[in-house]
Amino acid sequence: AQSVSQHNHHVILSEAASLELGCNYSYGGTVNLFWYVQYPGQHLQLLLKYFSGDPLVKGIKGFEAEFIKSKFSFNLRKPSVQWSDTAEYFCAVNGGSQGNLIFGKGTKLSVKP
Amino acid sequence: GAGVSQSPSNKVTEKGKDVELRCDPISGHTALYWYRQSLGQGLEFLIYFQGNSAPDKSGLPSDRFSAERTGGSVSTLTIQRTQQEDSAVYLCASSRREWGLKTQYFGPGTRLLVL
Repeated sequence: AQSVSQHNHHVILSEAASLELGCNYSYGGTVNLFWYVQYPGQHLQLLLKYFSGDPLVKGIKGFEAEFIKSKFSFNLRKPSVQWSDTAEYFCAVNGGSQGNLIFGKGTKLSVKP
Repeated sequence: GAGVSQSPSNKVTEKGKDVELRCDPISGHTALYWYRQSLGQGLEFLIYFQGNSAPDKSGLPSDRFSAERTGGSVSTLTIQRTQQEDSAVYLCASSRREWGLKTQYFGPGTRLLVL
């Protein structure tokens, strides 16, 4: 069965620090990979996605993620975080012809001003 | 354009009562999904509709849960004889069918509290 692991439950950073959130998945075939963000009091929004092609994907608000197939990883990065990035971040995957997403448990990011 | 909408935004019910939650997907999206978000369990898939195909019900936690999609658009998730462990935020998402466009867009959710 597919699964997604997010290594960090809660990350606390100061503004301007660099961010990397880990995501590993288990699935042997072709996968689609996503990062979603949930700001406080808001609904899930898509940050970025990978279907095929260039494994380095750029998303909104300066976020990027790199798909490393050999490591089954899709880590999220941002060079310099802002207080407004405080949110919960979810990595998700679906594979092959599967419709639904499998989500990681989420990483809560707190950015101190 | 309009996103996925859900109603009600909040629902408080008593244990044993039935509840209905509604989802209006994005116009033109043929796929519709229900998920549940609860503390400790994260985001769990419940059920998936794609066009006129039989729904994928593999995520439904018990036979108290059911969903239908009328006219290929609006969907209703029904929970019968609610239990306290059903308390969660119920999320709906929709997507297009075509490869490369199957990103799921989520609604704001219905927060269900079973007393």
